[in-house]
Amino acid sequence: LAKTTQPISMDSYEGQEVNITCSHNNIATNDYITWYQQFPSQGPRFIIQGYKTKVTNEVASLFIPADRKSSTLSLPRVSLSDTAVYYCLVGGNRDDKIIFGKGTRLHILP
Amino acid sequence: EAQVTQNPRYLITVTGKKLTVTCSQNMNHEYMSWYRQDPGLGLRQIYYSMNVEVTDKGDVPEGYKVSRKEKRNFPLILESPSPNQTSLYFCASSRNRGGTSTQYFGPGTRLTVL
Repeated sequence: LAKTTQPISMDSYEGQEVNITCSHNNIATNDYITWYQQFPSQGPRFIIQGYKTKVTNEVASLFIPADRKSSTLSLPRVSLSDTAVYYCLVGGNRDDKIIFGKGTRLHILP
Repeated sequence: EAQVTQNPRYLITVTGKKLTVTCSQNMNHEYMSWYRQDPGLGLRQIYYSMNVEVTDKGDVPEGYKVSRKEKRNFPLILESPSPNQTSLYFCASSRNRGGTSTQYFGPGTRLTVL
């Protein structure tokens, strides 16, 4: 399992685009990058997953450079309800354990 | 509705009194796991199970036991709880093992050990 490093916390304002970067220098060839969102007192929920280049869904975009040693979760035009902890996970389909880490606490200001 | 359920949601107990937190999923998932969440430490995996009768230790297994006798259930057992096990606990399940399979989480169990 590749170790990931994320900022501990970030602040932004409503209506802004927020980018959260995750470093994973030891990512393996078969590893995918997955992001989860967790609201206070709730379990995390899946946001997006990708392997390379760019993935977009109705909630976010995920940018992965060619070397795959980092990834960036992009949240367009955030609102107060996007205040949450965001976790970056790196792993492959042969992994037994799952490591969430400490995540990034995103605080959206009015 | 596809979901993971946990019971109880809140529990206050005393040191040494055995307790069980139940977890059940209705999605026929093979992989189930337990996490604890503590301030500043993020989510840490306690135990996981890749299928019936197959369980293994996560990163913080000390003081916990699990069993997987049926595919849908994965109870967490604290045989002699201690105050350092006061935490927020989450159960999760996924179709398959591995970091690529989406994890579905339960609502959490807030445990206080006095």
